[in-house]
Amino acid sequence: QVHLQQWGAGLLKPSETLSLTCAVYGGSFRDYSWTWIRQPPGKGLEWIGEINHSGATNYNPSLKSRVSISVDTSNNQFSLKLSSVTAADTAMYYCARGRAMRGCAHWGQGTLVTVSS
Amino acid sequence: QSALTQPASVSGSPGQSITISCTGTSSDVGGYEYVSWYQQYPGTAPKVVIYDVSNRPSGVSYRFSGSKSGNTASLTISGLQAEDEADYYCSSYTTNSTTIFGGGTKLTVL
Repeated sequence: QVHLQQWGAGLLKPSETLSLTCAVYGGSFRDYSWTWIRQPPGKGLEWIGEINHSGATNYNPSLKSRVSISVDTSNNQFSLKLSSVTAADTAMYYCARGRAMRGCAHWGQGTLVTVSS
Repeated sequence: QSALTQPASVSGSPGQSITISCTGTSSDVGGYEYVSWYQQYPGTAPKVVIYDVSNRPSGVSYRFSGSKSGNTASLTISGLQAEDEADYYCSSYTTNSTTIFGGGTKLTVL
């Protein structure tokens, strides 16, 4: 059974760096790509980016200058960093297994990140 | 990249069929067979109901089906049930090796 557990700071000040980690339990970590998606309160889903087990990444062009996704295969974890956050980055952040356009079947529980001074 | 275009809301009565459209361009929906649909209840993570345009994951009701014509993908739910009331999002691969979502559609079962 596959389980994704995510954690990270939920309250940030403008200009700080958002940092979230997602640990994967069960299944084969190396056989999949790993994805981050966010959802502002009351709004739709936004794809942030993805990484495969070898570290190759793809990012949303609108976030590319601020985002970094990394993978730690020894611990079956992957992480998201988003720098210089503003109120517009306030959202529920989800980690997920697979590539979003091919259907992510397993998701983390979500982390609400609020950016406020 | 601009979001794929979905109707903001659709509604139907129990037992009826509804279709949600997802319109993009030849650089995303029209160019690849990589369209997925997600169902999301309030306060929960999305759940994939269709992947690769028309494939249904194990455990998803046969009442959910997907298709694509040109730059528009569609999700059809037949035999509408109260439990189908949720938000639905499409997603597609793009020429930039990225993924784009639709704006979402709120389905109301009357």
